[in-house]
Amino acid sequence: GDSVTQMEGPVTLSEEAFLTINCTYTATGYPSLFWYVQYPGEGLQLLLKATKADDKGSNKGFEATYRKETTSFHLEKGSVQVSDSAVYFCASTTGANSKLTFGKGITLSVRP
Amino acid sequence: NAGVTQTPKFRILKIGQSMTLQCAQDMNHNYMYWYRQDPGMGLKLIYYSVGAGITDKGEVPNGYNVSRSTTEDFPLRLELAAPSQTSVYFCASSLGLAGGNEQFFGPGTRLTVL
Repeated sequence: GDSVTQMEGPVTLSEEAFLTINCTYTATGYPSLFWYVQYPGEGLQLLLKATKADDKGSNKGFEATYRKETTSFHLEKGSVQVSDSAVYFCASTTGANSKLTFGKGITLSVRP
Repeated sequence: NAGVTQTPKFRILKIGQSMTLQCAQDMNHNYMYWYRQDPGMGLKLIYYSVGAGITDKGEVPNGYNVSRSTTEDFPLRLELAAPSQTSVYFCASSLGLAGGNEQFFGPGTRLTVL
């Protein structure tokens, strides 16, 4: 079945540091890929997405590129802020009833 | 639009008690989902629905039941609460392919079973 693997966490960075969070997927067919963010005490919200190979999703300074050859969708940000502290989930769907397969999530803490 | 709403926010149950977690959406989405979130485990799909009157099991359905009598509401029922059901429960909805498969999440219900 489909699966999503995220790098192990947690991750702690200083403000203005560069961020990379790795995500790889296995799926039959051609999935759409998502990054969701969960701020403390809240539900998940969509951060960005990509629907086909070589697409780049971007939002709030975050970017991720759909790499079919490496089955990856790594999340990057050039300069993190304290307000980026949250849990980040990578997810995929092949569209069957729009069900999402989530990675385990990774906690990012950014210190001033 | 209120989006996806869930009640209650918090609940403590004793073993063997029953309860219903409420979920409602006002976006006219056909698809709705229930997940549970356990620390370090990501989100696991419990049940989902593709429209009123249609429900199906997800990855971890045991101990839960759902119904979908209207497009707006998708309640989750726990019949005999067990400590293993201590978790945070999220409801979500989606327009499906027409909405790029994006899911919209509620704020969650934190349930403790003692």
